[in-house]
Amino acid sequence: QSALTQPPSASGSPGQSVTISCTGTSSDVGGYNYVSWYQQHPGKAPKLMIYEVNKRPSGVPDRFSGSKSGNTASLTVSGLQAEDEADYYCTSYAGSSNLVFGGGTKLTVL
Amino acid sequence: EVQLVESGGGLVQPGGSLRLSCAASGFTFSSYWMHWVRQAPGKGLVWVSRINSDGSSTSYADSVKGRFTISRDNAKNTLYLQMNSLRAEDTAVYYCAKGGSRVFDNWGQGNMVTVAS
Repeated sequence: QSALTQPPSASGSPGQSVTISCTGTSSDVGGYNYVSWYQQHPGKAPKLMIYEVNKRPSGVPDRFSGSKSGNTASLTVSGLQAEDEADYYCTSYAGSSNLVFGGGTKLTVL
Repeated sequence: EVQLVESGGGLVQPGGSLRLSCAASGFTFSSYWMHWVRQAPGKGLVWVSRINSDGSSTSYADSVKGRFTISRDNAKNTLYLQMNSLRAEDTAVYYCAKGGSRVFDNWGQGNMVTVAS
């Protein structure tokens, strides 16, 4: 499967909101409500932030939210904080027990 | 608390073999699908392989099919990745991850594999 498409970078000032997109096809993002988002700080393991498009695991701040429209999913980080600076990756179920990753977006807090 | 601890990485020559292990604790290992995901230096995450809860079903990325074998020992709460015919492009940090077929809900700290002569 082809990787999902994410912008390579995004940025915002503290307190602002930023949205990161994740574009796939009707065979993955558009076909299933199984989009997840992961946060990865440099040298660290990824951490699940959003699953099933818009659900937050316990302990993830409600500043993080997810949505989907057609073949594009989005992660919005509201009230940006310095610790939100990280790489963000989306994944989507693509059928037949397969998962596909996005290329990642580096979020910079200005 | 869920813990996943990878081991077995290191430096290996092209064409060589390596076996990664992932020791799991803090959850009922035998109830969950497990995955291997890798990240080449400075690059993004790439799914490598997955195995279902009882080990009866496996799947691989095209780039490793026929060279890598995923397995598990539910009695030992351990996941494995046998890597044969290693290539330079297999150089990466390898993560084990817990989850179903649709999400990775916990990750190990990662283990570096370097393929070089």
